[in-house]
Amino acid sequence: DAKTTQPNSMESNEEEPVHLPCNHSTISGTDYIHWYRQLPSQGPEYVIHGLTSNVNNRMASLAIAEDRKSSTLILHRATLRDAAVYYCILVLNNAGNMLTFGGGTRLMVKP
Amino acid sequence: DAGVIQSPRHEVTEMGQEVTLRCKPISGHNSLFWYRQTMMRGLELLIYFNNNVPIDDSGMPEDRFSAKMPNASFSTLKIQPSEPRDSAVYFCASSLAVGEQFFGPGTRLTVL
Repeated sequence: DAKTTQPNSMESNEEEPVHLPCNHSTISGTDYIHWYRQLPSQGPEYVIHGLTSNVNNRMASLAIAEDRKSSTLILHRATLRDAAVYYCILVLNNAGNMLTFGGGTRLMVKP
Repeated sequence: DAGVIQSPRHEVTEMGQEVTLRCKPISGHNSLFWYRQTMMRGLELLIYFNNNVPIDDSGMPEDRFSAKMPNASFSTLKIQPSEPRDSAVYFCASSLAVGEQFFGPGTRLTVL
């Protein structure tokens, strides 16, 4: 399985944008890039996904490098509620099957 | 929709006892997943079902663990006998054939 690499932790100030990087240099052409996050004491929740083009939704934006070997999750204005562990996961064919969670990035938001 | 429902939310038991965790997936979803989360090992997939049939159980730690999905709206994960190292948070998730998974709130299991 293609793997992802993320920083262990990041800090941000409230109301400022946050860019969470993810490297996936062995990504295949049929791997979709998914992002999930896990708030304290909760189950993971889906954030966004994409294949080649940049994507926007109400929660975040996903910027995908042209060679697809890296991507960046963008939170436009971090709030205290965005403090969570963010996971970048490759999903073959976008199929609703197994997710392989790595260590993720723990985002801390300072007031 | 109420989302994925798990019960109980917390379970404390003694070593050697049988433990049964329950999950009700989102109506209409045809895939169901059981995960386990510990500080040491993070989030691990234990087993997943598609259309009530187990597809991959390679993540099930050992024979003490078993999972069933008798119908599209219910699944159980059983541990018999339980051991202290089984202490973890167990998550159930469901999804359609493509797209994102929806996770339940988890069951925190403590085996003394």
